Amino acid sequence: DAMVIQNPRYQVTQFGKPVTLSCSQTLNHNVMYWYQQKSSQAPKLLFHYYDKDFNNEADTPDNFQSRRPNTSFCFLDIRSPGLGDAAMYLCATSGGESNSPLHFGNGTRLTVT
Amino acid sequence: KQEVTQIPAALSVPEGENLVLNCSFTDSAIYNLQWFRQDPGKGLTSLLLIQSSQREQTSGRLNASLDKSSGRSTLYIAASQPGDSATYLCAPHPSGGYNKLIFGAGTRLAVHP
Repeated sequence: DAMVIQNPRYQVTQFGKPVTLSCSQTLNHNVMYWYQQKSSQAPKLLFHYYDKDFNNEADTPDNFQSRRPNTSFCFLDIRSPGLGDAAMYLCATSGGESNSPLHFGNGTRLTVT
Repeated sequence: KQEVTQIPAALSVPEGENLVLNCSFTDSAIYNLQWFRQDPGKGLTSLLLIQSSQREQTSGRLNASLDKSSGRSTLYIAASQPGDSATYLCAPHPSGGYNKLIFGAGTRLAVHP
């Protein structure tokens, strides 16, 4: 009964080769988030969607893009991955109200060779 | 800008001990605070959400308290077990802004049999 599903669990890409990570949800939540977590560090918010309204964090590099074609799916595109982009990428959802908890997927571990 | 600090960074204890994990945050203008657990290589699992109107929230052997005015939250784990071994992260929910959580780096807990 997984509610936030990320695919794949592990992704290996080459330096500079575009890669797409996917996230789907069965919770019908309005808000979807993408976080980047490097080893032993706190998760860092990249951007979020409220419905189709995209909100980028000020310090998110242009190399990172996102798409949300419908309520259930959200994609993270890395246009030209560098070695520094190797990390765990976490997708989360929320109902959007102030008392709504966030629900996370199991993450995608990205390796850049 | 919200900054979240978790102390200690790491903790190693024998089974059966009662534990205290601390979280402090610089901006007290928050709605709620959420505690998460993260197992190695996995996503985040929500443990407790403390609403701003509450001082405490309990789930099984876990109890979390929140003091907004002093910018502190504490997670108590009673009678620790080896299965509690994980990293514990806290994240205040900001007032406004669709629950864009800012995380601490976490406390890495190891419970030995």
